[in-house]
Amino acid sequence: NAGVMQNPRHLVRRRGQEARLRCSPMKGHSHVYWYRQLPEEGLKFMVYLQKENIIDESGMPKERFSAEFPKEGPSILRIQQVVRGDSAAYFCASSPSGAAGANVLTFGAGSRLTVL
Amino acid sequence: AQSVTQLGSHVSVSEGALVLLRCNYSSSVPPYLFWYVQYPNQGLQLLLKYTSAATLVKGINGFEAEFKKSETSFHLTKPSAHMSDAAEYFCAVIPNSGYSTLTFGKGTMLLVSP
Repeated sequence: NAGVMQNPRHLVRRRGQEARLRCSPMKGHSHVYWYRQLPEEGLKFMVYLQKENIIDESGMPKERFSAEFPKEGPSILRIQQVVRGDSAAYFCASSPSGAAGANVLTFGAGSRLTVL
Repeated sequence: AQSVTQLGSHVSVSEGALVLLRCNYSSSVPPYLFWYVQYPNQGLQLLLKYTSAATLVKGINGFEAEFKKSETSFHLTKPSAHMSDAAEYFCAVIPNSGYSTLTFGKGTMLLVSP
């Protein structure tokens, strides 16, 4: 029973390029969350999605960042025209039902983006 | 609004010594509380959670935490540290009703020396 799968684990991009990070939730989980971890900081919520729907994107930067979770396939976090400040670890988590109460989030191993 | 404060970005202990990692929360409604552990270059793994049942919660790897409402605290302890406990530990909070998202503290790095 595979857990939350993220790829790539490491991604290097030059300024101005695009970064695409993928997340496949645990089997049976239909809710996906993306978090960003910057050095010396905790994890910051970015976006919460269900299949084909963005439920909460209050933590997403207003520009250059987008996320989707199509009916088929993994969730994708897309960063356009990357800048050095986007360098971080991006974690995906999933849960079997909504983001409330004691529903435990299961995290992937993360995708570490380095912008040169 | 909800938040957690983890006192001490780094905690150093000797192998066999008591581990105490501090977490204080602020929440406008009764919360659920979690401790996660992150080993180097890995994702977060759930250690334990408080969901308003017993105030003393036992988790994996010998860790436990006690919910103290009067102190708004949820400190993590382990009687005897092992070298393998060296990792970063995150406290997190979510309200026990209504929609919200999990809010994390900044983390505490636990260093264990022989």
